[in-house]
Amino acid sequence: DGGITQSPKYLFRKEGQNVTLSCEQNLNHDAMYWYRQDPGQGLRLIYYSQIVNDFQKGDIAEGYSVSREKKESFPLTVTSAQKNPTAFYLCASSKSVFGAINNEQFFGPGTRLTVL
Amino acid sequence: QQPVQSPQAVILREGEDAVINCSSSKALYSVHWYRQKHGEAPVFLMILLKGGEQKGHEKISASFNEKKQQSSLYLTASQLSYSGTYFCGTNFGNEKLTFGTGTRLTIIP
Repeated sequence: DGGITQSPKYLFRKEGQNVTLSCEQNLNHDAMYWYRQDPGQGLRLIYYSQIVNDFQKGDIAEGYSVSREKKESFPLTVTSAQKNPTAFYLCASSKSVFGAINNEQFFGPGTRLTVL
Repeated sequence: QQPVQSPQAVILREGEDAVINCSSSKALYSVHWYRQKHGEAPVFLMILLKGGEQKGHEKISASFNEKKQQSSLYLTASQLSYSGTYFCGTNFGNEKLTFGTGTRLTIIP
């Protein structure tokens, strides 16, 4: 079955540590996205990527970093510079970023990160 | 700019109808609607495009008023499975969606 996988489902981190969230898709989609979800605030875009080895900052990129070395993979690193990292993180993909106007986004199951 | 959704929350009895609205202060190229169950991934419902084209589920009804920069999602004869939080995502002709804060819909038997 085609889809998006995220791991782990739950992640606990000590303050000051970097942590990497995994996102893999087998939909052969060009575009991939990372969103952060906090209660009552909807989905906010962190980073997105249109093609391999290229990515752009979203609306709340500070304290995060990404890489896109393979089409299928788009890992997100939450660095110690992110002041309030506890949140639900969602990865998504779509056929093409240039078709963001009319292409649906497919979401992974999410990773809930808690900083202790 | 983040679109504004209304209402923020609504409670319905099974079989009743609901309308969820999404308004933008900027000109829209398209509006996307998603539903999210608690703790799960958002699921695509429909896309409404400038010019009138729509893509999505046949059982979902929605409208897009380009002049008013508004979209409405119509849920008729609601079922228990319709419960969840509904998000609109707006596109301004660029590479991304900007999502609203959501409308929480609760259906009671």
